[in-house]
Amino acid sequence: AQKITQTQPGMFVQEKEAVTLDCTYDTSDPSYGLFWYKQPSSGEMIFLIYQGSYDQQNATEGRYSLNFQKARKSANLVISASQLGDSAMYFCAMREDGNNRLAFGKGNQVVVIP
Amino acid sequence: NAGVTQTPKFQVLKTGQSMTLQCAQDMNHNSMYWYRQDPGMGLRLIYYSASEGTTDKGEVPNGYNVSRLNKREFSLRLESAAPSQTSVYFCASSERVRRDPSQPQHFGDGTRLSIL
Repeated sequence: AQKITQTQPGMFVQEKEAVTLDCTYDTSDPSYGLFWYKQPSSGEMIFLIYQGSYDQQNATEGRYSLNFQKARKSANLVISASQLGDSAMYFCAMREDGNNRLAFGKGNQVVVIP
Repeated sequence: NAGVTQTPKFQVLKTGQSMTLQCAQDMNHNSMYWYRQDPGMGLRLIYYSASEGTTDKGEVPNGYNVSRLNKREFSLRLESAAPSQTSVYFCASSERVRRDPSQPQHFGDGTRLSIL
């Protein structure tokens, strides 16, 4: 069974506007962590933001924030004030408690247009 | 700061050839990982090493072997390459989860492998 679901088709967003990328997950473990990575066309994987299942507040990191809805099992990434350099694939990943492994979703493609 | 270094960056093999992908990290991380990335599939874990001296299978281990040579180095070997193993391979490392679960995995730049 797929643990991380990212189903949005490719998204186009106007420069300076915000974009929300959906991620839903499936786990029965009460303790887990959620990660978002960015993969630009050059191919490297860049860590953006982390949310722990017990964190009381939504994670924020500069222009990145997480809309974490634990009951819905969703951890949507919000990118505010989009820039041309934000054009990339974005991957959501989950680590379950005590488990070194990350399960990745299939990614969301974002294209920022001027 | 080198971080995670993978070699080679590109490689073309013929079916049946063998190949070892090298990975080294300089962050003193305990855990290391090998993933493959195929179009539309995200990253899938091949093997990982939670600490020096241990290795475990991931989601797609068939056709691969690994060696954790020391704390810094974790290699991936294809003994008899098949076209289905054409992919982009990523190595990653992280701190041990129980020490700090918020620490992300740090990735190398990837190896693009084509098998004809």
